[in-house]
Amino acid sequence: GQSLEQPSEVTAVEGAIVQINCTYQTSGFYGLSWYQQHDGGAPTFLSYNALDGLEETGRFSSFLSRSDSYGYLLLQELQMKDSASYFCARWDNYGQNFVFGPGTRLSVLP
Amino acid sequence: DTGVSQDPRHKITKRGQNVTFRCDPISEHNRLYWYRQTLGQGPEFLTYFQNEAQLEKSRLLSDRFSAERPKGSFSTLEIQRTEQGDSAMYLCASSLEGSGRVQYFGPGTRLTVT
Repeated sequence: GQSLEQPSEVTAVEGAIVQINCTYQTSGFYGLSWYQQHDGGAPTFLSYNALDGLEETGRFSSFLSRSDSYGYLLLQELQMKDSASYFCARWDNYGQNFVFGPGTRLSVLP
Repeated sequence: DTGVSQDPRHKITKRGQNVTFRCDPISEHNRLYWYRQTLGQGPEFLTYFQNEAQLEKSRLLSDRFSAERPKGSFSTLEIQRTEQGDSAMYLCASSLEGSGRVQYFGPGTRLTVT
């Protein structure tokens, strides 16, 4: 299959660090993107990994390991406004299909 | 506002009716994408354009769905003979050519079929 898998829910407290994992089953694709979506809002781009390793963008970082078929989004210094759904996504190499994972709902508690 | 816009934001229709949604992308963006999203799920890719060319349409949900981008600017998504199962949020996104990894989404059109 060529699906992406994510945990359905994650809960953390303000100021903490949280990691949202994304595993996949396809052998080849261009890279892994991450999007944030607040309830009632549109998805917004957060980060992209074309190559293995860590990409850092402010409080958000993303990691990719192609050999492990695995990536994650790391959110640091959590704020209440980070409560949202987070999606990993990727272009399918063998078709013209931009696939989103099922999403992880992050709840940040005071 | 120079972001992606969609019209209408909400549409209620009766089963069997045809509906058409419009998307205006960011002006310099060559690529335009359509997605469907149901509650609690990630966006589901439907089709996309590079300028006026529709590069992929095999993932349109059925032959009742069609999309156009006649002048390479705005796009329309039409659903014919709507069914209750078509009720969902329809999202449009745009990106610069070759940068499909970074897509800018519009606010969506919420369709309710009664």
